[in-house]
Amino acid sequence: QQQVKQSPQSLIVQKGGISIINCAYENTAFDYFPWYQQFPGKGPALLIAIRPDVSEKKEGRFTISFNKSAKQFSLHIMDSQPGDSATYFCAPAGAGSYQLTFGKGTKLSVIP
Amino acid sequence: NAGVTQTPKFQVLKTGQSMTLQCAQDMNHNSMYWYRQDPGMGLRLIYYSASEGTTDKGEVPNGYNVSRLNKREFSLRLESAAPSQTSVYFCASLSLSNQPQHFGDGTRLSIL
Repeated sequence: QQQVKQSPQSLIVQKGGISIINCAYENTAFDYFPWYQQFPGKGPALLIAIRPDVSEKKEGRFTISFNKSAKQFSLHIMDSQPGDSATYFCAPAGAGSYQLTFGKGTKLSVIP
Repeated sequence: NAGVTQTPKFQVLKTGQSMTLQCAQDMNHNSMYWYRQDPGMGLRLIYYSASEGTTDKGEVPNGYNVSRLNKREFSLRLESAAPSQTSVYFCASLSLSNQPQHFGDGTRLSIL
């Protein structure tokens, strides 16, 4: 049973465009919804995260949108830059456990 | 401040050899984790240690053992390496009062 489904697998966006990555989950016990960013040769690093008591969180060019009833959350990258080219993972976690369940990742390429 | 340090960064083993991957964190975190990352699979949890003196299995524990040596160090051992264990291994740590998980830069392990 795949608990977390992430889409698309890969994404090519022009510089200045909007990148959108989606994550669907099945476990209703999840209560922490982060997105991690990973550059080649490096470990994942937290980009932005949201709790289920809000529907949207914005940090600079990065926004998480959360739809609890649909069990989905998404990452929006506004004004995408070549430096945003990386692999992005959603990794929701359950109440109190802090154990992340990773999606399979989305490779984003931002072309000049 | 080094964060999470993993050694070695690269290793090549022959089938049947044993090896220990080392991980140390200097953030005084309580919890530590070992993941493996395979192409197209995201990160999968092998073992974790919620606190010093405790260890628990994750999603893919077969073929691995762990030791939480002290609060700083958490090692992963392959007793008899198999080609299916060729992967990139990541260690992470977490303070229960301060998410997110912090990751090391990984150990790239090839088993021939």
